Amino acid sequence: TQLLEQSPQFLSIQEGENLTVYCNSSSVFSSLQWYRQEPGEGPVLLVTVVTGGEVKKLKRLTFQFGDARKDSSLHITAAQPGDTGLYLCAGGETSGSRLTFGEGTQLTVNP
Amino acid sequence: GAGVSQSPRYKVAKRGQDVALRCDPISGHVSLFWYQQALGQGPEFLTYFQNEAQLDKSGLPSDRFFAERPEGSVSTLKIQRTQQEDSAVYLCASSLRTNKFHSGTQYFGPGTRLTVL
Repeated sequence: TQLLEQSPQFLSIQEGENLTVYCNSSSVFSSLQWYRQEPGEGPVLLVTVVTGGEVKKLKRLTFQFGDARKDSSLHITAAQPGDTGLYLCAGGETSGSRLTFGEGTQLTVNP
Repeated sequence: GAGVSQSPRYKVAKRGQDVALRCDPISGHVSLFWYQQALGQGPEFLTYFQNEAQLDKSGLPSDRFFAERPEGSVSTLKIQRTQQEDSAVYLCASSLRTNKFHSGTQYFGPGTRLTVL
């Protein structure tokens, strides 16, 4: 079973601050996906990275996939209260089909 | 509908009861996944269907858990003789296609929150 360790588990910051969430594994994944989940809802896909070393930007969010395809990071610039939520990384296993999720980072951005 | 729907949204069961959770995937999506999400944790894989075929059920925690997708569309996750440790949110996801290299983008439903008393 492949495991993903996500850190930090909880993060509370002030509006305007920057933050980085990390997702690490000893296993290689075929793809790495980042989701955001609101209370009472299912996870919503933010981005998929598939190539080692890949960097993707989505407005104030920057996603990076490690060269060895074992780790990833999510960086948010100038966080806003609307960014509050549970951020989940998920690895696509090399055998296809299932996603392996990290434990999530609960982000709270205070106004 | 435009997205994945699940019913019921909330289910309270007494220990020992059987429950059935329904998932309606996005129309035309070949692949369907069930995940279990405990409070404060990330989702954990339970099982996967491609059309009506259940290709992976290695994540089902016990033989009390059973899933089916008889016509390759709607799926039902059944839990027999529920236990308190079964309390969790059960998420369903569908994707257009999957192959041995990539599962395809998975779109999640809102989940069913099961509470076993």
